[in-house]
Amino acid sequence: NAGVTQTPKFRVLKTGQSMTLLCAQDMNHEYMYWYRQDPGMGLRLIHYSVGEGTTAKGEVPDGYNVSRLKKQNFLLGLESAAPSQTSVYFCASSYSRQGQGTYEQYFGPGTRLTVT
Amino acid sequence: GENVEQHPSTLSVQEGDSAVIKCTYSDSASNYFPWYKQELGKGPQLIIDIRSNVGEKKDQRIAVTLNKTAKHFSLHITETQPEDSAVYFCAASIGGGYQKVTFGIGTKLQVIP
Repeated sequence: NAGVTQTPKFRVLKTGQSMTLLCAQDMNHEYMYWYRQDPGMGLRLIHYSVGEGTTAKGEVPDGYNVSRLKKQNFLLGLESAAPSQTSVYFCASSYSRQGQGTYEQYFGPGTRLTVT
Repeated sequence: GENVEQHPSTLSVQEGDSAVIKCTYSDSASNYFPWYKQELGKGPQLIIDIRSNVGEKKDQRIAVTLNKTAKHFSLHITETQPEDSAVYFCAASIGGGYQKVTFGIGTKLQVIP
């Protein structure tokens, strides 16, 4: 199993450009998440999905859109990039293990995005 | 919403010494507390977790303690080794199905050989 993979690993954008980050998982997980990581701020949830065709806003959703057309893929879009979106983006997935109370999130390797 | 505070933000220890990282949370409904380790250039990886019905959990050199009354939990690493150098994140969530996890800001641990 590849686990959680992210494409691309690095990207430089100019202000106003758009792009899509792709996350794929091969563990058949129901839940998927997009986080951004900034120095001194930990991991902050952007958007999440509890199943194919469903998405919801997290803590910092402004400026981002997401789609989950297939269970294994979760896309994060930036329609008009801004320098404030310079960050490292992590995708994660998890599943519900009824009755066992373990809810590990599996993270991808990250995408480093710079907006100039 | 949930707020998780973590300290210290940086920690340096000599190889073989113990390291302790502390976190507090605000939402009494939180019942699942994972710890993640992030090595340079990689995504976070779960190293240990604890549920609210347990006060302490150990896994070899790593242990986590939870005080529900005080709303704080701690990570203890004994006999530290250079490969323990990484950033550690605590987190809190209300477990069950989808989990909205709130992370601390992270602790950069440096183990000096």
